Amino acid sequence: SQKIEQNSEALNIQEGKTATLTCNYTNYSPAYLQWYRQDPGRGPVFLLLIRENEKEKRKERLKVTFDTTLKQSLFHITASQPADSATYLCALPSARQLTFGSGTQLTVLP
Amino acid sequence: AAGVIQSPRHLIKEKRETATLKCYPIPRHDTVYWYQQGPGQDPQFLISFYEKMQSDKGSIPDRFSAQQFSDYHSELNMSSLELGDSALYFCASSLGTSGVADTQYFGPGTRLTVL
Repeated sequence: SQKIEQNSEALNIQEGKTATLTCNYTNYSPAYLQWYRQDPGRGPVFLLLIRENEKEKRKERLKVTFDTTLKQSLFHITASQPADSATYLCALPSARQLTFGSGTQLTVLP
Repeated sequence: AAGVIQSPRHLIKEKRETATLKCYPIPRHDTVYWYQQGPGQDPQFLISFYEKMQSDKGSIPDRFSAQQFSDYHSELNMSSLELGDSALYFCASSLGTSGVADTQYFGPGTRLTVL
């Protein structure tokens, strides 16, 4: 069955450092992968989409890589700030729906 | 920019009652998705509609039904409510290409509490 795993439920890092979150999947051949941010009690907010033919994508302090051989995506936040503290979800398309990973709760310590 | 609107934001019901959640997608978006998120859980896909037709079905209980209307808003009807239905219910919309899942824009959610 299809499965999405995100590394560690919680990740604490110091302000200014780079946060790296991992998303691994099995039994998928996605055409693209997405990353969302979710704050407590709020809906997920779309951050980045990376397609299978793209190795890397950047948006401001965010960088996403997509390795279809390893079946893995890495999500990096550089120069992290306390305001980056949130849960980050990766999501893969399946037919006309998205399946989300369980998320990684990131806390950036001042 | 206009976002996805959901109403009500909070809803408290008793067991075995009925609830109706409403979703108004971003203008010109033709696809609506419903998700359920329990405490500490990731969003679980329930059902989606593309151009007013049901396009995909996930883990939606038989007690729930949904539809998309001519103005593209959608309603999720939940009957015979159970304690386990207490959760955040999110609606998302997208501009689908032939109904293919793409970037989804989520609403603020409806928090349903069943007592």
